[in-house]
Amino acid sequence: GQQVMQIPQYQHVQEGEDFTTYCNSSTTLSNIQWYKQRPGGHPVFLIQLVKSGEVKKQKRLTFQFGEAKKNSSLHITATQTTDVGTYFCADNYGGSQGNLIFGKGTKLSVKP
Amino acid sequence: DAGITQSPRHKVTETGTPVTLRCHQTENHRYMYWYRQDPGHGLRLIHYSYGVKDTDKGEVSDGYSVSRSKTEDFLLTLESATSSQTSVYFCAISGTGLSGYTFGSGTRLTVV
Repeated sequence: GQQVMQIPQYQHVQEGEDFTTYCNSSTTLSNIQWYKQRPGGHPVFLIQLVKSGEVKKQKRLTFQFGEAKKNSSLHITATQTTDVGTYFCADNYGGSQGNLIFGKGTKLSVKP
Repeated sequence: DAGITQSPRHKVTETGTPVTLRCHQTENHRYMYWYRQDPGHGLRLIHYSYGVKDTDKGEVSDGYSVSRSKTEDFLLTLESATSSQTSVYFCAISGTGLSGYTFGSGTRLTVV
C-alpha cells in the first residue's frame, strides 16, 4: 500500500540553527499536508501542497513539493524553542474522501 | 481546537471489556476520522465516515467498530478490549476531505 517515509526521525538543534524534515514516497503523492504536534498535544494542520514544484512560506517555515510529486520538505529558518514538537507529513491518497496516510514524523528538540 | 471534543480524555479498562469513545463536532463537517497513535507507528487510520450512517474501514480496523447516527457524533467501539489496543486515539474532522484536518485533543486508553 501507499507508504510515506519521513526523515530524520529525530533532530536536535541549537536555538537559531535551521531545521529540515523530508517526506518521500516511491509512488506519486496526491496532496501533501503538514502537521505539527506539540508534546502532549494533538496534531495541528499547517499547510497543504497540491501542485508539482509548489513552494509556500509561513513566516520562518518553508514548504516544498517536489517536481515529480514524490517528495516534500519542511524547512524552518532560525529555530526557536516554540518550534519544539513532532512534524508530520501526510498524503491525501483518498481524494475527496480524505484518508490521510501519515509519515512517522520528525521529532524536533531545540536547545536554548 | 474549538468545534471538536473527545470523551473521555483518559480511560483505564480491563481486557475483554467493551469500550466506547466519543467524538463530537459542532462544525457540521461531513467527514470524520478515527486514528490511533503509537510510538514508532505514527498516526494510523482506524475508520472514517463520509456522512450519517456512511462509514468505511481504514488501515487498522480489526477489533474496532464505528457508528455515526448524527452528523455531529462519531463513536468508536472496542468490542472486547485487548492490551494491543492501549494507545492514544484521535478523532479528526474535515469539511471537504481535501482540506486540512482538525484533530480533537485525544483519548488516552490503557487496557490492563
